[in-house]
Amino acid sequence: QSALTQPPSASGSPGQSVTISCTGTSSDVGGYNSVSWYQQHPGKAPKLMIYEVTKRPSGVPDRFSGSKSGNTASLTVSGLQAEDEADYYCSSYAGSNNLVFGGGTKLTVL
Amino acid sequence: EVQVLESGGGLVQPGGSLRLSCAASGFTYRSYSMNWVRQAPGRGLEWVSLISGDASTTYYAESVKGRFTISRDSSQNTVYLQMDSLRAEDTAVYYCVKAIMVPWHKGFDYWGQGTLVTVSS
Repeated sequence: QSALTQPPSASGSPGQSVTISCTGTSSDVGGYNSVSWYQQHPGKAPKLMIYEVTKRPSGVPDRFSGSKSGNTASLTVSGLQAEDEADYYCSSYAGSNNLVFGGGTKLTVL
Repeated sequence: EVQVLESGGGLVQPGGSLRLSCAASGFTYRSYSMNWVRQAPGRGLEWVSLISGDASTTYYAESVKGRFTISRDSSQNTVYLQMDSLRAEDTAVYYCVKAIMVPWHKGFDYWGQGTLVTVSS
């Protein structure tokens, strides 16, 4: 069982927006501004999409945005494109020199 | 260009040992912590271990504490993960990962291609 809870699946049509949630506790997501999101295509290494809750690394389209409210973080993908179909994982610092991941969400572009 | 390249994976029997290597280049090596993250077949990601840029600090997940040892050789820009007393549940693809900034837990911006470790008799 993963420390952070994500929905197993999400979907949307091209051009639409979809939001993936990542629920933790006050000891991880709610306690630190250290939430990250990763995109993973089949057979590939994960790619950093969002760090420090809201920041985008260079090269990541601004269609990807992150936010947090209380113990729940969210990743929103706007203007869905076919290449956005992938698995998405959140992670958060959990204190005591520990980092936890969510179980992952499979995003399907219909 | 930043590059991270793991090696050393393979098949090992339960109770055995294996050492993974990670060669990194394209950035100021001593300025960033390096981590290992693993992914069991068909499963999610699990953070395993960290070593600070100056190698003075190491952290481990509870699941590997006392069995795995992380180290780095700054003269060769290489990070190692010594894995002892291996168990079937350690079977996974192991990724070597660079932290994006200080502190280490803000995000991981460069990932290697991964190396598969299989623990089986």
